[in-house]
Amino acid sequence: KAGVTQTPRYLIKTRGQQVTLSCSPISGHRSVSWYQQTPGQGLQFLFEYFSETQRNKGNFPGRFSGRQFSNSRSEMNVSTLELGDSALYLCASSLAIDSTDTQYFGPGTRLTVL
Amino acid sequence: AQKITQTQPGMFVQEKEAVTLDCTYDTSDPSYGLFWYKQPSSGEMIFLIYQGSYDQQNATEGRYSLNFQKARKSANLVISASQLGDSAMYFCAMREEYSGAGSYQLTFGKGTKLSVIP
Repeated sequence: KAGVTQTPRYLIKTRGQQVTLSCSPISGHRSVSWYQQTPGQGLQFLFEYFSETQRNKGNFPGRFSGRQFSNSRSEMNVSTLELGDSALYLCASSLAIDSTDTQYFGPGTRLTVL
Repeated sequence: AQKITQTQPGMFVQEKEAVTLDCTYDTSDPSYGLFWYKQPSSGEMIFLIYQGSYDQQNATEGRYSLNFQKARKSANLVISASQLGDSAMYFCAMREEYSGAGSYQLTFGKGTKLSVIP
């Protein structure tokens, strides 16, 4: 069974631009979550989607948005990029949403904002 | 207060020896899940082991075992017979319900960098 895939793997943008990251979950998984990882802040939760509905959002500005499609694939968008948005963005999928469900992660998209 | 605390920023272990990575957590939710992930320098987060709050026995997965002490709110990862490929960052994480909203957020500790010495 294929794992979680994320595209692109690497991205370089300049301040003020916008970016869209894509995530394809493991087949059959209906929940997708996004995380931002930086050396200073560590791993921070961005959003969680289940069956095309955003169930939860972390403490991030409105420039960060996302969506989930009917095939469970998800995208996240960051508008008006800032230098501080440089990070590894990780996507994770799980079968459902409960405390026992294991999230499996993709390889991440490394975003550099110049 | 931090939800997940990993007090060891870095650890060294001799190859073939066992090592324990510490993790304490804070929650008032009776139902929660505890997870350990490994992150090599490539960046991918690899799931290692899971322990549910209602599980009576400690979880084991091959060379990984979880020393779960519920009353002390600790969930330490034990790696037996360390290998050079175990050198990586290790993250402890907890999944609990978020504000009764039917959403379950995974909260991570700051990680422990493990270096295995030949």
